[in-house]
Amino acid sequence: EAQVTQNPRYLITVTGKKLTVTCSQNMNHEYMSWYRQDPGLGLRQIYYSMNVEVTDKGDVPEGYKVSRKEKRNFPLILESPSPNQTSLYFCASSLTGGGFDEKLFFGSGTQLSVL
Amino acid sequence: GENVEQHPSTLSVQEGDSAVIKCTYSDSASNYFPWYKQELGKGPQLIIDIRSNVGEKKDQRIAVTLNKTAKHFSLHITETQPEDSAVYFCAAGVRPLYGNNRLAFGKGNQVVVIP
Repeated sequence: EAQVTQNPRYLITVTGKKLTVTCSQNMNHEYMSWYRQDPGLGLRQIYYSMNVEVTDKGDVPEGYKVSRKEKRNFPLILESPSPNQTSLYFCASSLTGGGFDEKLFFGSGTQLSVL
Repeated sequence: GENVEQHPSTLSVQEGDSAVIKCTYSDSASNYFPWYKQELGKGPQLIIDIRSNVGEKKDQRIAVTLNKTAKHFSLHITETQPEDSAVYFCAAGVRPLYGNNRLAFGKGNQVVVIP
């Protein structure tokens, strides 16, 4: 089954404790992206990747890091989490990122709480 | 950058009636307008999209209309069913042939279908 898998689904942590949210897709997609979803703000892009070793900032990259060492994986790293990073995070992927016929597939989300 | 406004924030309809959600956008260069459905505990799923060179698109009980002059687009759901209850997000952006699938998302509409 074609899917984007995020782990964990729920995560509670404390300020300053480094954490990683994993994202994996099994569709051989080149493009992957991270979003955060906050009440009343919709989805905002954090980082994206056009292919292996190619990443770039989205609209709200501060406090986050990403890496793309393999095509299927795109982890989101919070080196020193702060309470304002409490949010619902989504990973998404598509074949190449552009083109009108491309469909963006989303994972099921990771609810992060930073105390 | 692009700014997308979505109204109303919550919409309750009787089963069998129609639901209409309207979004406005600010950037006249935007050429791609998708709609996503997010069910409880799941990631957003693309349900329909429209390009700027098309005024209307229909897929069974779902349709999207686009008015480029007024910079607004709407989602129409006919013969609503309980399984249509979800949060619906609109989005707008410039879809490149290749590049970041950069979309501005609306804040989301909670649609409740009352049996």
